[in-house]
Amino acid sequence: EVHVLESGGGLVQPGGSLRLSCAASGFTFSSSAMSWVRQAPGKGLEWVSGITDTGFATFHADSVKGRFTISRDNSKNMVYLQMNSLRAEDTAVYYCAAYGSGTYQPLDYWGQGTLITVSS
Amino acid sequence: EIVMTQSPATLSVSPGERATLSCRASQSINSDLAWYQQNPGQVPRLLIYGASTRATGIPARFSGSGSGADFTLTISSLQSEDLAVYYCQQYNNWPHTFGQGTKLEIK
Repeated sequence: EVHVLESGGGLVQPGGSLRLSCAASGFTFSSSAMSWVRQAPGKGLEWVSGITDTGFATFHADSVKGRFTISRDNSKNMVYLQMNSLRAEDTAVYYCAAYGSGTYQPLDYWGQGTLITVSS
Repeated sequence: EIVMTQSPATLSVSPGERATLSCRASQSINSDLAWYQQNPGQVPRLLIYGASTRATGIPARFSGSGSGADFTLTISSLQSEDLAVYYCQQYNNWPHTFGQGTKLEIK
């Protein structure tokens, strides 16, 4: 059975930092690219960051480029999102999601999400 | 960045009727398009990938079509549990952008 579980959410002040973690199991993690997707309250889905299966390449939405960094540890089946210089508009539920194995795959598996609130 | 545009923003359909949702990409994405369903208060789940292939466990009333830049999700006979927001996403080019969503209401 597949499990994707995010942790690390909470309340943070504007300008602060937070690191999200995502633990995955039940599929071949090292063969799957991973992404973080967020959803602000009452809004739609926004793709945030992605990382290839090897971790060699990473990608970020323009809205977070230079502030967020995605990384992974294939030995631990973990993905991380380091978030710096947080803003009020970063307030959202952050989902960790796994792509299917291979290239050009959709987001097969999603975690339950973790809420980040950026507020003073 | 590829921009994904969904229409309509909201769709109201009676039970048993057909629902047709559209998604357009700002450039060709071949068939690298997925549809996700997000029921109220729930996590998104994969419905369709490769523009037309149903994901595991998805009922046959859901179908996808299109290639290049224009895509359609059709629900052939609407059920009450289909009340949800539907998102398209392209995974042809990073960043893997989503459309803004279509909210499907049951009339």
